[in-house]
Amino acid sequence: DAGVTQSPTHLIKTRGQQVTLRCSPKSGHDTVSWYQQALGQGPQFIFQYYEEEERQRGNFPDRFSGHQFPNYSSELNVNALLLGDSALYLCASSAGGYQTQYFGPGTRLLVL
Amino acid sequence: SQQGEEDPQALSIQEGENATMNCSYKTSINNLQWYRQNSGRGLVHLILIRSNEREKHSGRLRVTLDTSKKSSSLLITASRAADTASYFCATDNQAGTALIFGKGTTLSVSS
Repeated sequence: DAGVTQSPTHLIKTRGQQVTLRCSPKSGHDTVSWYQQALGQGPQFIFQYYEEEERQRGNFPDRFSGHQFPNYSSELNVNALLLGDSALYLCASSAGGYQTQYFGPGTRLLVL
Repeated sequence: SQQGEEDPQALSIQEGENATMNCSYKTSINNLQWYRQNSGRGLVHLILIRSNEREKHSGRLRVTLDTSKKSSSLLITASRAADTASYFCATDNQAGTALIFGKGTTLSVSS
């Protein structure tokens, strides 16, 4: 049984560029949440997708957007990248709501 | 904003010793969870304790919850080098849809 997978594992971009990160949830899970973790900090909630719609959003600007596909996989898009967007981006999946969330290995984004 | 706050920020112990980490939070919760993170990778779920529970065990892990003090503790008994990691407590947000994490406790277990 595959767990949560994310791609790519690492990414280097320059300021002003756009990036797309991908996530496949654990089998049987229909809810995907995205978190940003800066170095030395705990993860910060970006948003959650359920039934292909954004159900809840954290305190992140509109430059951060997402999408959920019919197969429950999800994408996180970040436009107009800033140096401060450099972080580990974590995807988590759960079944029918949040309860226990299962995390993927993350995508480490470096913005130069 | 961060709801939970772990204490201490860093902890160094020898193999075989017990490790205790504490978490304090600000608002009422439905659940509190503990996660482990190895070397800046994905988080591994350790244990979930509900607001009506006071203590929960899982293998070498013991979690307590005191809702009157808005605090929780994670005890790892007979620590091993493989327990070296960062440990985070997480509570639910008001809508119950997201986890709010503290900054974590970095545990180092030396052999």
